[in-house]
Amino acid sequence: GAVVSQHPSWVICKSGTSVKIECRSLDFQATTMFWYRQFPKQSLMLMATSNEGSKATYEQGVEKDKFLINHASLTLSTLTVTSAHPEDSSFYICSARTSGETQYFGPGTRLLVL
Amino acid sequence: GIQVEQSPPDLILQEGANSTLRCNFSDSVNNLQWFHQNPWGQLINLFYIPSGTKQNGRLSATTVATERYSLLYISSSQTTDSGVYFCAVRRSNDYKLSFGAGTTVTVRA
Repeated sequence: GAVVSQHPSWVICKSGTSVKIECRSLDFQATTMFWYRQFPKQSLMLMATSNEGSKATYEQGVEKDKFLINHASLTLSTLTVTSAHPEDSSFYICSARTSGETQYFGPGTRLLVL
Repeated sequence: GIQVEQSPPDLILQEGANSTLRCNFSDSVNNLQWFHQNPWGQLINLFYIPSGTKQNGRLSATTVATERYSLLYISSSQTTDSGVYFCAVRRSNDYKLSFGAGTTVTVRA
């Protein structure tokens, strides 16, 4: 089946630093990638959608200057949390959609900002 | 937006028991997926099932699109089935999946 990887799986950083998370589709080309955020005991919340070579579409309430998304190729998307603060601590999950309808998810990245 | 309701919110099972999880949605969809989020957070694709019935081992799913619901059946549950089960749907004119709140399943040995 289709595999999506994320790196890093864990990151701890100091307040004010920037953190980059990579999402790769390993065995398929992803025309569309998605970034989600999940708080403990809650469902997934879509942050933004990105298509290769174009600007990301952010959901209402998500700060585009805080969460920079780049979809540089059909197999790679990155999420950069700029000037991270403790309230940005969360579980971030990327997802990729094939040319079909099925969406596949990465293993997630746990971010802790001290 | 489309509403997705999952029931029950929590389910505790004895190993070997069978169970049924339900997903109701408020509009016509052309995409419905069931996922299992394991204790480490990984979402595992279980079924892509906008209509009809599918089976994969001890799991099966049925979607009745005309009545806007889907059921996920777990038979002979094992402790490894523990985790959160999410239903997610997408309408034909929408770009994103809408997730339900999930059903937390705990299987006890």
